[in-house]
Amino acid sequence: GAVVSQHPSWVICKSGTSVKIECRSLDFQATTMFWYRQFPKQSLMLMATSNEGSKATYEQGVEKDKFLINHASLTLSTLTVTSAHPEDSSFYICSARAFTEAFFGQGTRLTVV
Amino acid sequence: AQTVTQSQPEMSVQEAETVTLSCTYDTSESDYYLFWYKQPPSRQMILVIRQEAYKQQNATENRFSVNFQKAAKSFSLKISDSQLGDAAMYFCAYRSADFGNEKLTFGTGTRLTIIP
Repeated sequence: GAVVSQHPSWVICKSGTSVKIECRSLDFQATTMFWYRQFPKQSLMLMATSNEGSKATYEQGVEKDKFLINHASLTLSTLTVTSAHPEDSSFYICSARAFTEAFFGQGTRLTVV
Repeated sequence: AQTVTQSQPEMSVQEAETVTLSCTYDTSESDYYLFWYKQPPSRQMILVIRQEAYKQQNATENRFSVNFQKAAKSFSLKISDSQLGDAAMYFCAYRSADFGNEKLTFGTGTRLTIIP
């Protein structure tokens, strides 16, 4: 099956700094990628849809200036958490569609201290 | 907007037995896809099984099968001959068949425990 690679797997950052998370489709091209957030013992909540070459589409309630998404190529989307705060600590997962299936990255555990 | 409901936060089953996880959904669309994903402790999302709404035949994948009732908007997952490796969170998910509306809507999940 298709492979989606997410990096880093975990990151700890200080409050007020920015963190970038990368999502790569390794063996296929993805014009659309999705970013989800998962709190402990909860479901995946869609944050935004990343579109190659255009602006991301954010779900209601998600601050686009805080969660910057860039999808500059057909194989790479990045999520930057700007001016991170402890409440941004969470598990972030990206996915990309190949044919009719969605493939997921390994996820990134972000801890803001 | 579509919603997906999983009414069983936790389930447990004896190893080698059969367990059924429930899922209901709400949509006004006639064509869509339904999925069951498994999330083990590693938190990697793994596709278990997929069902196209236009297909009446229930999908099966080895020990995993679904009971898809379109009129009732029900999509349950049956795991036969449960194995220790089946222990995980299971999420039911919905996706529209409309091109350009490919996001997944997830249920709240069911934590499955396998009792040796």
